[in-house]
Amino acid sequence: DAGITQSPRYKITETGRQVTLMCHQTWSHSYMFWYRQDLGHGLRLIYYSAAADITDKGEVPDGYVVSRSKTENFPLTLESATRSQTSVYFCASSALTEGEAFFGQGTRLTVV
Amino acid sequence: GNSVTQMEGPVTLSEEAFLTINCTYTATGYPSLFWYVQYPGEGLQLLLKATKADDKGSNKGFEATYRKETTSFHLEKGSVQVSDSAVYFCALSFNYGQNFVFGPGTRLSVLP
Repeated sequence: DAGITQSPRYKITETGRQVTLMCHQTWSHSYMFWYRQDLGHGLRLIYYSAAADITDKGEVPDGYVVSRSKTENFPLTLESATRSQTSVYFCASSALTEGEAFFGQGTRLTVV
Repeated sequence: GNSVTQMEGPVTLSEEAFLTINCTYTATGYPSLFWYVQYPGEGLQLLLKATKADDKGSNKGFEATYRKETTSFHLEKGSVQVSDSAVYFCALSFNYGQNFVFGPGTRLSVLP
């Protein structure tokens, strides 16, 4: 199916563990983004990518790592999860010709 | 830096009431402006957009006009329905599709 999909939808992990959130889009959009959504903070940009092998930090990048070896995939890794990283994570993609961002359904991550 | 301010709510209205959600922005230059909507348990979806001053975006009975002189993009709907209950986000982007900045979101509840 065409679109942008995130996996898993829900994840519980322990403090200190590494966890990877997956994001896949089928449109070949150039830009991809990772946001976290927290009460009182709205959406905050973690990392974004302008193309394969090009990534840059957003507003809150500490504790996260991204890669983009293929245009369609943009995984987000928490190297050593902390409780403050408990959040809902959204992946999005965008094409310059359309201007809007398309969002995945989100991953609810709980760090215990 | 660039930022978006919007009333945080929650906003509670009766069905068929008139809706206004205020949004103002701070930016150097002239960004594209967007309203996104998030229904419970889902990702954000584009509601409407405007790319230059005096443009009016409209969709599903919602409207917003890009006002350069007041740096505003207020969302309006003449008659809300229960199904409009959601969180609404105002956002801007430069370079058409890159580097979105979101407001904190406004939760709308419409009562029958």
